Amino acid sequence: AQSVTQPDIHITVSEGASLELRCNYSYGATPYLFWYVQSPGQGLQLLLKYFSGDTLVQGIKGFEAEFKRSQSSFNLRKPSVHWSDAAEYFCAVVPSGGGADGLTFGKGTHLIIQP
Amino acid sequence: DGGITQSPKYLFRKEGQNVTLSCEQNLNHDAMYWYRQDPGQGLRLIYYSQIVNDFQKGDIAEGYSVSREKKESFPLTVTSAQKNPTAFYLCASSTGSTETQYFGPGTRLLVL
Repeated sequence: AQSVTQPDIHITVSEGASLELRCNYSYGATPYLFWYVQSPGQGLQLLLKYFSGDTLVQGIKGFEAEFKRSQSSFNLRKPSVHWSDAAEYFCAVVPSGGGADGLTFGKGTHLIIQP
Repeated sequence: DGGITQSPKYLFRKEGQNVTLSCEQNLNHDAMYWYRQDPGQGLRLIYYSQIVNDFQKGDIAEGYSVSREKKESFPLTVTSAQKNPTAFYLCASSTGSTETQYFGPGTRLLVL
């Protein structure tokens, strides 16, 4: 069965510093990959997605992610974080051939921004 | 505006009571999903539906029921058999199972 691992439950970063959130997946074939963000008490918003092509994907709010097939990873990055980036971040995957029940989510990483 | 709406924002359930959470979308999406979110657990799939009049159990369906009589609507009932219903419930929709899921704002269910 496919699975998604986000190794860091919490990450604390100073405002203006760079950010990298890790995501590893376990699946036999290359899946489609997603990053979502959730503000407290809100639904999830799509940041970016990777289906094929260029392995460096640009998203909204200045985020980017890089797909590395050899490492089964899809890490999320931002060069300079803002206090408004404090939120919960979820990585998700789906088999490229389709999976009837849709996305499999990681357990999330809680991002804390220090002033 | 296109999107997904969930109501109510907060819901209180008494012991032994069934309650229904509403999810409506005007995105013309075929697929709809219900997730439960608990602190530190991520999102767990309760039920999903790929087309009208058809739905399937997810990972934690016990104590829940759904219907899909219309493309736009996918209500979730939390029955009295669900012994620990306190959680944040999220509804999502997509054009297909491999496509991006779009989420509603969520309903927080609390037990009195």
